[in-house]
Amino acid sequence: SQTIHQWPATLVQPVGSPLSLECTVEGTSNPNLYWYRQAAGRGLQLLFYSVGIGQISSEVPQNLSASRPQDRQFILSSKKLLLSDSGFYLCAWSVNAGRETQYFGPGTRLLVL
Amino acid sequence: AQKVTQAQTEISVVEKEDVTLDCVYETRDTTYYLFWYKQPPSGELVFLIRRNSFDEQNEISGRYSWNFQKSTSSFNFTITASQVVDSAVYFCALTLYSGGGADGLTFGKGTHLIIQP
Repeated sequence: SQTIHQWPATLVQPVGSPLSLECTVEGTSNPNLYWYRQAAGRGLQLLFYSVGIGQISSEVPQNLSASRPQDRQFILSSKKLLLSDSGFYLCAWSVNAGRETQYFGPGTRLLVL
Repeated sequence: AQKVTQAQTEISVVEKEDVTLDCVYETRDTTYYLFWYKQPPSGELVFLIRRNSFDEQNEISGRYSWNFQKSTSSFNFTITASQVVDSAVYFCALTLYSGGGADGLTFGKGTHLIIQP
């Protein structure tokens, strides 16, 4: 069966520091991968998605970037964090075929101080 | 662009009551998928159901049931005989079908369901 991992689970970072969040998927090949952010309150917003290694699509211009160095690895990064980057970051995967169901990881809670 | 509206921000009921969570969507496309996810306090989104726009049959899974009506652009979710473990935030979401590639989900803002013992 497929599993999706995210780390770290929680992170407290100062403003201006760099960021690297990692997401890995097991039990499947060539998945579609997604990064979402859930700001305080609710509201999930799609940040990036990827259909393959090195292929990244950005949905929202921001202080963040994403990379996919390996088939089942998706990384969310920032060179300099802003206070507004605080939130709950969720990674998701789906089968790479049309609009298959997206399955979410446990998430990373990021607090920028 | 598509839009999903969950007008109920928070619902509180007593255990064993039935409760319906509303979801209304907007899209110009004729082919799309609708989803419901559950987000317990731990934060992880748990997939509950997917429905495509061609299938308006209602679905029942245990205490959960879903009512999809294209005429009113609604995809409502009913929990029968609610339990405390049903307490969570529930999200309705939509994605368009384009036969390939990838696209993100458009989420509603969620409904916080509180089941009181």
